[in-house]
Amino acid sequence: AQSVTQPDIHITVSEGASLELRCNYSYGATPYLFWYVQSPGQGLQLLLKYFSGDTLVQGIKGFEAEFKRSQSSFNLRKPSVHWSDAAEYFCAVVGTGNQFYFGTGTSLTVIP
Amino acid sequence: DAMVIQNPRYQVTQFGKPVTLSCSQTLNHNVMYWYQQKSSQAPKLLFHYYDKDFNNEADTPDNFQSRRPNTSFCFLDIRSPGLGDAAMYLCATSRGLAGLQETQYFGPGTRLLVL
Repeated sequence: AQSVTQPDIHITVSEGASLELRCNYSYGATPYLFWYVQSPGQGLQLLLKYFSGDTLVQGIKGFEAEFKRSQSSFNLRKPSVHWSDAAEYFCAVVGTGNQFYFGTGTSLTVIP
Repeated sequence: DAMVIQNPRYQVTQFGKPVTLSCSQTLNHNVMYWYQQKSSQAPKLLFHYYDKDFNNEADTPDNFQSRRPNTSFCFLDIRSPGLGDAAMYLCATSRGLAGLQETQYFGPGTRLLVL
């Protein structure tokens, strides 16, 4: 069965520091992978996606993610975090039946 | 330029009183989805429409129904809301089904409170 694990429930970083949010997936075939961000009380906004090709994917707001098949991972990174990046981040994989499987999310706090 | 619009943003209803949530899209996408998201949890798919074809998730309670009168609009009807139905309800659209390398675009959500 398909699943997504986000091991970190909550992360706190200082503004200007680098960020890495972890995502591990379980899926037998080539996965389609997504990262979404959700600000408080808002819907989900797509940050980036991976379907095939280059394993390093660039997204909006300075985010990037790297697909590593050997580790079944799709970690999200940003070299320098801004206070406005504080939000909930969701990793998702598309599985059989065309359904999105979301992880439980990682809450990011940015301290000045 | 809003692409997926949800109304209202906040909805308060009484226990057992039917309520309808609305979603509209300007993207002319074929697929529309409804998700339920409870506090600190991942969004959970309730059902989706591919054009006029309705696809219900196996574990979606019968209390939840949906209508799609045209391409642009989709409604979520909760026939008899219980306290456990209080959640954020997210509408999303995609041009095609997710397995075809399609991205889902989400609305801002409607937060439902059941008193």
